[in-house]
Amino acid sequence: DSGVTQTPKHLITATGQRVTLRCSPRSGDLSVYWYQQSLDQGLQFLIQYYNGEERAKGNILERFSAQQFPDLHSELNLSSLELGDSALYFCASSAGSDTQYFGPGTRLTVL
Amino acid sequence: GEDVEQSLFLSVREGDSSVINCTYTDSSSTYLYWYKQEPGAGLQLLTYIFSNMDMKQDQRLTVLLNKKDKHLSLRIADTQTGDSAIYFCAEREDSSYKLIFGSGTRLLVRP
Repeated sequence: DSGVTQTPKHLITATGQRVTLRCSPRSGDLSVYWYQQSLDQGLQFLIQYYNGEERAKGNILERFSAQQFPDLHSELNLSSLELGDSALYFCASSAGSDTQYFGPGTRLTVL
Repeated sequence: GEDVEQSLFLSVREGDSSVINCTYTDSSSTYLYWYKQEPGAGLQLLTYIFSNMDMKQDQRLTVLLNKKDKHLSLRIADTQTGDSAIYFCAEREDSSYKLIFGSGTRLLVRP
C-alpha cells in the first residue's frame, strides 16, 4: 500500500458526460501528479500540482482540468467524454521533487 | 524529445535471473526508476538510481546504469512466479519532475 488513495476504483459512463476522479496523497506529500495509462499511448503525464498550485502540464486535453485543494487532495475533471478517453488514470504523490508513489488508479470506461 | 524504450516481453524459468533493459534519451535526468505493475493493480515503486551511480543493489534487485550509452537495466535474481508482471522504466524530467515511462516489459516466469 503506497498510502495514495484514489476513488472511485471503476467508473462507467457514456460519451458526452463529465466525471470527477479524486486523489488523496500520502500524508505530508505536497505534490500530486496525474497520469493516464491507455493501450495505445502507454503511461502519459497529464498535470502536476504542488501545494495547491499548478506546477507542470503535460499532454492534457482542454476538456480535462484538475485542481488541488487546501487539504492537498486533488480532483481530475474529465468532460465531454469520448470513447478514446477510456483508460486507467493514476494519481501519484511526492514530498517535493523526489520519488513519486502511485495510487491504485481509477479505471474509466466510456460507452 | 524524450523517449524511453524497453523490449516488450521476457520469459524466464523460475529460479533463473531476469534482466530487463531500458534505454533513455534525456542525459540530464537525475533520477531513473523501475516500477512494477501486476494485473489490475497500480504502479509499485521497485527501486531507483541516481544518475551519478553505476549500480544499486537492493535484495534480489540490481540496477545497472551506463550513462554514456543511456542504458539502464534491472536484474532480478532467483526469479519467482510472483515476479510475473509488467516492469516499467522511467526517467524523471528535471525541469518539470514528470516521469517519462517506457512501454513496459512483460515478464513471464515459467514454473
